[in-house]
Amino acid sequence: QKEVEQDPGPLSVPEGAIVSLNCTYSNSAFQYFMWYRQYSRKGPELLMYTYSSGNKEDGRFTAQVDKSSKYISLFIRDSQPSDSATYLCAMSGGGSNYKLTFGKGTLLTVNP
Amino acid sequence: EAEVAQSPRYKITEKSQAVAFWCDPISGHATLYWYRQILGQGPELLVQFQDESVVDDSQLPKDRFSAERLKGVDSTLKIQPAELGDSAMYLCASSFAANTGELFFGEGSRLTVL
Repeated sequence: QKEVEQDPGPLSVPEGAIVSLNCTYSNSAFQYFMWYRQYSRKGPELLMYTYSSGNKEDGRFTAQVDKSSKYISLFIRDSQPSDSATYLCAMSGGGSNYKLTFGKGTLLTVNP
Repeated sequence: EAEVAQSPRYKITEKSQAVAFWCDPISGHATLYWYRQILGQGPELLVQFQDESVVDDSQLPKDRFSAERLKGVDSTLKIQPAELGDSAMYLCASSFAANTGELFFGEGSRLTVL
């Protein structure tokens, strides 16, 4: 079992839809959880950063972490064609165990 | 806006040849990372520098890969000899501190080995 599991999709939705992206993990030491967005032929860019369990909202984006279930989610409201990209979850243990472990990424296409 | 610079953006080479990638991190970022991303996969860490020192190179295939950051600023990743399985995107990233997940990535260097 890989440390981080992420459904690679692809996921195709109409413009304006609510998108839900998810990752599960097996390492209970993970404390920092991130979502990166990667456009085609570009490097990843940090989208959301959360610590421990709970929710974090930034505009149309909401990140949720449920450490008891080892499950993290990213919700995109009112999705736009410009949201079309690969979304990578990433996590680390913090402290001396800060090495990032990435998921495979989910390819999202938002159709106008 | 400060960016991580990488070159070349694209490199095509034949197997057994040598190839080198260069990275200039964001000014003031002490931590520099080289990741490899195979198509359809997430990035995997090859090597991490703190200033000029290697912090983690446990996943670097040291028989053919080498990395250096001599003055603690820019960095070079070299592959010699290149193999077909090295075809991938090589991403450089930097961060202000080592114990943060807030990495700033460059646009990457896409390597194709024929």
